[in-house]
Amino acid sequence: DAKTTQPPSMDCAEGRAANLPCNHSTISGNEYVYWYRQIHSQGPQYIIHGLKNNETNEMASLIITEDRKSSTLILPHATLRDTAVYYCIVRFHSGGYQKVTFGTGTKLQVIP
Amino acid sequence: DVKVTQSSRYLVKRTGEKVFLECVQDMDHENMFWYRQDPGLGLRLIYFSYDVKMKEKGDIPEGYSVSREKKERFSLILESASTNQTSMYLCASQIGGRETQYFGPGTRLLVL
Repeated sequence: DAKTTQPPSMDCAEGRAANLPCNHSTISGNEYVYWYRQIHSQGPQYIIHGLKNNETNEMASLIITEDRKSSTLILPHATLRDTAVYYCIVRFHSGGYQKVTFGTGTKLQVIP
Repeated sequence: DVKVTQSSRYLVKRTGEKVFLECVQDMDHENMFWYRQDPGLGLRLIYFSYDVKMKEKGDIPEGYSVSREKKERFSLILESASTNQTSMYLCASQIGGRETQYFGPGTRLLVL
């Protein structure tokens, strides 16, 4: 799996958009970008994933650059409950089983 | 909704004890995983299973074993607990052929 780089921490004001960047410059053509988050004392939670098109769901939007070397997770209106560690990972879809390798992620603090 | 449950949220054991951590998922997923999470090290895969009675070593299997006698249940066993096994243990399940993993709430194990 390609390596990802994320800033260790970020602050965001409540109600504002939180933009979390991720660099994955060695991503290969068939690798997807996944985002998970982990709220304190809970297991990781899947947020969103994409290949090359931008994606949106009820939780967030994912913007992937045209060269696919970086992406941004957008929480459009951050709330205090969005305070968590956010993990960006890349992996290819093998159709079978695969481990998930998480880095140390970005600790997002939403400030009232 | 997918539900992954773990037998205990908190556990305290003594060095040398045999420890069983249980994980149950209710969505008939083929694949199940055990991770440990330590500060600064992210999530590391211990073992995973892609079918009943099948198992594969992850990145750090030493000191652990697993058992999958039924599809819904995946057990992690510490044969002789040691203090360096004090950690947060996370179980996850995954539908075969899909990539999203669903995590349990975690078990925080303290070995004295």
